[in-house]
Amino acid sequence: DTGVSQNPRHKITKRGQNVTFRCDPISEHNRLYWYRQTLGQGPEFLTYFQNEAQLEKSRLLSDRFSAERPKGSFSTLEIQRTEQGDSAMYLCASSLADTAGNYEQYFGPGTRLTVT
Amino acid sequence: AQSVTQLDSHVSVSEGTPVLLRCNYSSSYSPSLFWYVQHPNKGLQLLLKYTSAATLVKGINGFEAEFKKSETSFHLTKPSAHMSDAAEYFCVVSRYNQGGKLIFGQGTELSVKP
Repeated sequence: DTGVSQNPRHKITKRGQNVTFRCDPISEHNRLYWYRQTLGQGPEFLTYFQNEAQLEKSRLLSDRFSAERPKGSFSTLEIQRTEQGDSAMYLCASSLADTAGNYEQYFGPGTRLTVT
Repeated sequence: AQSVTQLDSHVSVSEGTPVLLRCNYSSSYSPSLFWYVQHPNKGLQLLLKYTSAATLVKGINGFEAEFKKSETSFHLTKPSAHMSDAAEYFCVVSRYNQGGKLIFGQGTELSVKP
C-alpha cells in the first residue's frame, strides 16, 4: 500500500462549473476525512466518514458541497456551482480508529482547485 | 470547544542551532495533541503525538515536544536545525470521541539559514 492518493492533483475550472475530487484511502482504514486549506492557513475540517456513514459535516460545508463514500472505500467530494472563494487545497486523510484510542491520520497530497 | 494558537507565524534559525516552535492549546477535556510538518508541494506528515501517556514525546527527525498541562502548552523543539527542516509546521488538537477530527493551528513557517 502506497498511502492515501487523491485525483486530480490540480483542477482549474470556471466559476459556476461543477467539480468532483476523488480520494483513495489506505486499505482497511475505516475513517476518511476531508479538509480544506487556503493559502497561509492551517487545514480546516470539512467532513468525515466512518466506513460508509458520513458522521459529521462542518458548517463550512455549504449546500453546494457533497461527499460520499460508497461501500466504505474511496470517497468523492463534489462542489456544485463553484465560486472563486472555493479556490483552495482540498486534503483527504484516512485513519484506522481502534478501541485503544489510536487514530493517527495519514494525509494525501491534496487537490488544488483554482476557480477563475 | 478546542483550539490551538501557534505563537509565531515565522521562525528563522541558523543551521546547527536549536529550534523552538511554540503552541498553546485550549480544551475542555484531556486532548490529544500532534505536530504535523508540510514541506512545499508535499503532503502533511505526522512528526509526533501526545495521547496522555508520557508528557515528553519524541518524534521523527530528532524533534520532540513536551506537554505542560499547567501552561496549556505543547512546544516543539529540536536541538540542532538542519537545512531540510525548513517547512511549515502545524500544531493540532483532537479528541478521539469527537470523531478524531483534527483542529489545526495557523502554522509556523520555519526557515533555516546556512
